[in-house]
Amino acid sequence: SQQGEEDPQALSIQEGENATMNCSYKTSINNLQWYRQNSGRGLVHLILIRSNEREKHSGRLRVTLDTSKKSSSLLITASRAADTASYFCATDYGGNTPLVFGKGTRLSVIA
Amino acid sequence: DAMVIQNPRYQVTQFGKPVTLSCSQTLNHNVMYWYQQKSSQAPKLLFHYYDKDFNNEADTPDNFQSRRPNTSFCFLDIRSPGLGDAAMYLCATGQETQYFGPGTRLLVL
Repeated sequence: SQQGEEDPQALSIQEGENATMNCSYKTSINNLQWYRQNSGRGLVHLILIRSNEREKHSGRLRVTLDTSKKSSSLLITASRAADTASYFCATDYGGNTPLVFGKGTRLSVIA
Repeated sequence: DAMVIQNPRYQVTQFGKPVTLSCSQTLNHNVMYWYQQKSSQAPKLLFHYYDKDFNNEADTPDNFQSRRPNTSFCFLDIRSPGLGDAAMYLCATGQETQYFGPGTRLLVL
């Protein structure tokens, strides 16, 4: 299976702290994406990082990609209670193949 | 405005009674996806379309079928739902990034 692995599976932090989630994958990718899912809702695209990029920012989100280690991390700075959700990485292997989603990290931000 | 719409949001059916879930998109993308998601798990791809070219994942159960009559609409038909088919069903569209609908939660009694 090409499914990526995420860790931790669950993360609980206090409001204002930073949250870091990691994603590992198995073979070369075109890009890696992070999605967020609130409970009982669809997924929402957060950020995309291409294989030739090492770091990308969007607001309070920072994504890094290390293709030599086949891993990515998502950092949420100054977390808020509203950031409570599941976060999934998804890898794009190119060639019109569908995205492959990781198992997700459940983040709880306690006010 | 909603870009991917799924109806109904909640569906209750009886064991073995066929059910159809619908999805529509206003983005005019040629790719559409159906996922099944069970509690605390990753979305599992069931099918995807590139235009009318249908792609069925190898482990998608035989009682799951799909129709795409035009670019905007896509349907998921479950011919004989079992208790194990209770899940959230997500529709998505998009070429590089995916835009998801809110999902339909299916309950099988």
